[in-house]
Amino acid sequence: GAVVSQHPSRVICKSGTSVKIECRSLDFQATTMFWYRQFPKQSLMLMATSNEGSKATYEQGVEKDKFLINHASLTLSTLTVTSAHPEDSSFYICSAHLEQGNEQFFGPGTRLTVL
Amino acid sequence: GEDVEQSLFLSVREGDSSVINCTYTDSSSTYLYWYKQEPGAGLQLLTYIFSNMDMKQDQRLTVLLNKKDKHLSLRIADTQTGDSAIYFCAEGGGYNKLIFGAGTRLAVHP
Repeated sequence: GAVVSQHPSRVICKSGTSVKIECRSLDFQATTMFWYRQFPKQSLMLMATSNEGSKATYEQGVEKDKFLINHASLTLSTLTVTSAHPEDSSFYICSAHLEQGNEQFFGPGTRLTVL
Repeated sequence: GEDVEQSLFLSVREGDSSVINCTYTDSSSTYLYWYKQEPGAGLQLLTYIFSNMDMKQDQRLTVLLNKKDKHLSLRIADTQTGDSAIYFCAEGGGYNKLIFGAGTRLAVHP
């Protein structure tokens, strides 16, 4: 099946710094990728839809200037959490939509801890 | 708006069948999905069903869809300890977005 990777898997940073998370589709091209956030023991909440070559579409309540998304190629989308604060600590998961079907394949997630 | 609801916890004995239920609100959803998440890991797609189907079976997994009641269920036959995980129901929203339920934590005990 299709494989999606994320890097890093875990990151710890100081408050005020920025963190970049990469999401790659390894064996297929994805014009659309999605970024989700999952708080402990909660469901996944969609943050934004990342479209290759165009601006991301953010869900209501998600600050686009704080969560910068770049989808520069058909296999890579990045999420940058700018000026991170402890309340941004969460599990960030990306997914890539397989155009030929109706499936989304999820990355393994990135656990962000902001001290 | 779109909403997906699941019971939060299910405990079953090894070898028994597990049934995880889900209700959704968006009748326009084309596909409905079941994902599995093990601790500290991403989501694994287990199966999905097209909205014009009533049932789909895949080895130990059986998905039942009652479109009238907007009710989806996942049955796992012969549940094993390796099936212990969180199971998420999701509906396919517009622009291929997925709307997830809160997840059902399945605990399998001897």
